[in-house]
Amino acid sequence: AQSVTQLDSQVPVFEEAPVELRCNYSSSVSVYLFWYVQYPNQGLQLLLKYLSGSTLVKSINGFEAEFNKSQTSFHLRKPSVHISDTAEYFCAVTLAGTGNQFYFGTGTSLTVIP
Amino acid sequence: KAGVTQTPRYLIKTRGQQVTLSCSPISGHRSVSWYQQTPGQGLQFLFEYFSETQRNKGNFPGRFSGRQFSNSRSEMNVSTLELGDSALYLCASSHSGNREGGYTFGSGTRLTVV
Repeated sequence: AQSVTQLDSQVPVFEEAPVELRCNYSSSVSVYLFWYVQYPNQGLQLLLKYLSGSTLVKSINGFEAEFNKSQTSFHLRKPSVHISDTAEYFCAVTLAGTGNQFYFGTGTSLTVIP
Repeated sequence: KAGVTQTPRYLIKTRGQQVTLSCSPISGHRSVSWYQQTPGQGLQFLFEYFSETQRNKGNFPGRFSGRQFSNSRSEMNVSTLELGDSALYLCASSHSGNREGGYTFGSGTRLTVV
């Protein structure tokens, strides 16, 4: 069975400090990996994704994530957070052979403290 | 171009009633997926429609059904509502519905069952 684990349900961090949101997955088939962000009362927005190629992927607003196949991880990092980064972050996978549905983690609530 | 539109944004229903939620995908998108988001279960896949055909289905009871029209608009129906059906229902659209994740999510319909 496949699963996505986000180890931290809540992460408080001071403004301009670095942050890492952790994501691990388990799957016996190949995966594509995603990070989505959800602001209050809104839907999900794609932050970044790994499909193939370079294991380090970056978003336009300073986030990056690295696919580590041996550790089955896809942790999200940002070197310096802003107040506007306060949101819920979801890690997700799609799996070969299961169509195109996303399997989501339970989410990490990032709170940036002024 | 316009994003994914879900109507209504908020809905209050009584236990035992039925409800229909609507999703208008981005123009040109032929795939529409539905997800249920609850604090306890997180984000769970309901079903996906592509060119008016259900292509994939999650693990939900038969009370949850959907359909897609020729203009790609989709509706989701829940019959005999239960308190546990209270959730944010998210719709996502994609041009081809492949697992590389080119999905855009709507803002959701928040259903409260009393």
